[in-house]
Amino acid sequence: QSALTQPPSASGSPGQSVTISCTGTSSDYNHVSWYQQHPGKAPKLMIYDAITRPSGVPDRFSGSKSGNTASLTVSGLQAEDEADYYCISYEGNNNLVFGGGTKLTVL
Amino acid sequence: QVQLQESGPGLVQPSQTLSLTCTVSGGSITSGNYYWSWIRQHPGKGLEWIGYIYHSGSAYYSPSLQSRVVISVDTSKNQFSLRLSSVTAADTAVYYCAKDKFRGAMDVWGQGTTVTVS
Repeated sequence: QSALTQPPSASGSPGQSVTISCTGTSSDYNHVSWYQQHPGKAPKLMIYDAITRPSGVPDRFSGSKSGNTASLTVSGLQAEDEADYYCISYEGNNNLVFGGGTKLTVL
Repeated sequence: QVQLQESGPGLVQPSQTLSLTCTVSGGSITSGNYYWSWIRQHPGKGLEWIGYIYHSGSAYYSPSLQSRVVISVDTSKNQFSLRLSSVTAADTAVYYCAKDKFRGAMDVWGQGTTVTVS
């Protein structure tokens, strides 16, 4: 199975918005999650079921999905948003696949 | 709240079996309809889902690792475990355990443990 496709990098200035795409997700399910990972740390759940934000995650983070592409948008970029971001998709038959990851740089 | 902690050898010889345990604290591994996952991250690379298990013992694996992986659960110890056989240098990675509340929504993670195959 192939990893989902994410852009290797993305960037934006403080206060701007940036969107990270995740292509190749199942069109049969909306179970896409997004994770933020800072260097040397465990990943943190930011979005699940494509659009749902766990409690405690700033509302600057939002998710969407259309067809086989999911997206994570970070609005009002802040310095602490600089991290690696990964998507994961449920593919059916109890199989999960991660994207290759996107390094977000806050300029 | 639930916390997870991985444990196991940091060094494994090639062709041997990698064995890790994840201890769940702050809650019972049998409460809630959660799956308990293993994920790994090769040095400087992305995340790879290995598989997960339900407290009943039903386990599911990534097709790419299925032939070498066994995930088991010990409800009496509130632990679940990973065994990866016939390891090579390509299995060198940080291994994480996580609580999956539904189909990839992993809301609690362990700190990760580094395993080197050499």
